[in-house]
Amino acid sequence: DADVTQTPRNRITKTGKRIMLECSQTKGHDRMYWYRQDPGLGLRLIYYSFDVKDINKGEISDGYSVSRQAQAKFSLSLESAIPNQTALYFCATSDLRRGENTGELFFGEGSRLTVL
Amino acid sequence: GQQVMQIPQYQHVQEGEDFTTYCNSSTTLSNIQWYKQRPGGHPVFLIQLVKSGEVKKQKRLTFQFGEAKKNSSLHITATQTTDVGTYFCAGTGAGSYQLTFGKGTKLSVIP
Repeated sequence: DADVTQTPRNRITKTGKRIMLECSQTKGHDRMYWYRQDPGLGLRLIYYSFDVKDINKGEISDGYSVSRQAQAKFSLSLESAIPNQTALYFCATSDLRRGENTGELFFGEGSRLTVL
Repeated sequence: GQQVMQIPQYQHVQEGEDFTTYCNSSTTLSNIQWYKQRPGGHPVFLIQLVKSGEVKKQKRLTFQFGEAKKNSSLHITATQTTDVGTYFCAGTGAGSYQLTFGKGTKLSVIP
């Protein structure tokens, strides 16, 4: 089984619908992230969380919200989906080693979202 | 905000040729990481560089971190078809906790 699991893996929805992407991990990491990948644009950070009580906006948080329900669970919501939110979404986790600001990221398999 | 530029965007090589991708940051980095994403897959961590001028090798892959900690490179010697994928650099600015990714270099290897 994968250490970082994303559901759903694929989703097609319509403009204006509410969508939730879920991420769970068995790695025991405190840090969790949501990234968005668009062709030619790399990976852009939407939100990140360093523990259950800590939520931080990334570079493209507008139109998204997140919830850290437990150490192992981090969900991303699109309250009212729009077509330009069509993308591949990745959840990632990391541990932190002493002296480092950021650790190695472990990515889930991705959730492909299409908004019509 | 911090920007990480990566070139080239695409690279097509004949199997056996060498390949290099370059990464440049607008600000000094505390560390830089490299990831590989196979077609249809997710990014997988390759390495992290922390020290100024650091050079690390993994078999045919050589990673360098510039003296000023603002640029980095990944060099693959004698490419193989298994090297196909997109290579991303990702840097953390000094005092930051966010990892900023470059746009990636997509490598195609012609057998």
